[in-house]
Amino acid sequence: GAVVSQHPSWVICKSGTSVKIECRSLDFQATTMFWYRQFPKQSLMLMATSNEGSKATYEQGVEKDKFLINHASLTLSTLTVTSAHPEDSSFYICSALLRQAYTDTQYFGPGTRLTVL
Amino acid sequence: KNEVEQSPQNLTAQEGEFITINCSYSVGISALHWLQQHPGGGIVSLFMLSSGKKKHGRLIATINIQEKHSSLHITASHPRDSAVYICAAPSNTGKLIFGQGTTLQVKP
Repeated sequence: GAVVSQHPSWVICKSGTSVKIECRSLDFQATTMFWYRQFPKQSLMLMATSNEGSKATYEQGVEKDKFLINHASLTLSTLTVTSAHPEDSSFYICSALLRQAYTDTQYFGPGTRLTVL
Repeated sequence: KNEVEQSPQNLTAQEGEFITINCSYSVGISALHWLQQHPGGGIVSLFMLSSGKKKHGRLIATINIQEKHSSLHITASHPRDSAVYICAAPSNTGKLIFGQGTTLQVKP
């Protein structure tokens, strides 16, 4: 199946710093990628839809200035958590959309665990 | 009421048992996903199905479009199957709507 990678897999940072998370589709091109956030023992929450070459579409309640998304190429989307604070600590997961003739499939990355001290 | 509901929420089984996890959805869908999330957090896509049945190793997924119901079966369960299993259905806008997950623990 299609492979999606994320980097880093975990990161610890000090409050006030910015953290960039990369999401790559390794063996297919993805014009659309999704960024999710997951709190402990909860389901995934869609943060934004990342579209190659255009602005991301953010879900209600997600601060676009806080969570900067850049989808600069067909295989890479980045999520930057700006001026991170402890409440931003979470598990961030991306997925990439593989479009085929009759169906679209989302392939998920392994996730990035962010801990803000 | 959630648009995608799973049952049970928690499941404990003995090694070797046959396991069934159910998913009911109220959104109109083109396909339904079954995902597996291990304690480390990484998500693996197990199946995407829009009709009938799919099998991969000891995992079997079935879907009944008319009844808006899908099941994930694990045969000859093993402790390494312990994980959270999540079903997800695309909404009319294409966004995935996730079930709340089923936490499975298989004891040796």
